[in-house]
Amino acid sequence: QKEVEQNSGPLSVPEGAIASLNCTYSDRGSQSFFWYRQYSGKSPELIMFIYSNGDKEDGRFTAQLNKASQYVSLLIRDSQPSDSATYLCAVYHQGAQKLVFGQGTRLTINP
Amino acid sequence: KAGVTQTPRYLIKTRGQQVTLSCSPISGHRSVSWYQQTPGQGLQFLFEYFSETQRNKGNFPGRFSGRQFSNSRSEMNVSTLELGDSALYLCASRLGVAGDTDTQYFGPGTRLTVL
Repeated sequence: QKEVEQNSGPLSVPEGAIASLNCTYSDRGSQSFFWYRQYSGKSPELIMFIYSNGDKEDGRFTAQLNKASQYVSLLIRDSQPSDSATYLCAVYHQGAQKLVFGQGTRLTINP
Repeated sequence: KAGVTQTPRYLIKTRGQQVTLSCSPISGHRSVSWYQQTPGQGLQFLFEYFSETQRNKGNFPGRFSGRQFSNSRSEMNVSTLELGDSALYLCASRLGVAGDTDTQYFGPGTRLTVL
């Protein structure tokens, strides 16, 4: 089992709809969770981080964390073509003191 | 505040050569991590440096090494290059001290091509 798993996609969503990206992790001791966006040929850019169970909203983005289910998700409301990118879920392992990334989900927003 | 900078941005080397990549973290950040990104393996952790000491290391051969200087700038070295070392090498910095949220900020990366 991979430490951090994401559906690689591609995920295709019409413009204006809600895009839902999911991630599961294996280490129950993980405390910090991150979503990065990576455009083709560019480096990862931080979108959000979340530490507590529940929802955290920032503009059109909402991160959701459920530690009991070891599940974290990212919702993008009113999706725009500029949201087309690969989204990387990352989990910080306190014990190992390292950030572990999922393989990323490629998202395409169709005009 | 300036972001993480990496030099060079692009590099072409041949098998057997060695290469040194440089990373300057965000001002005030004391921790620098290095990652290798390839289409097949995704983002793989190489190592992290804090206060000139390697704090953690990923599962890479000894050909991959690094160091950090007193001003927190870091270098990564790869010796005896192999074709499989072709990748995007990313540096990320974080505060690394009390109050740190573990949030890492990435530089633009160095694209290494080994021929």
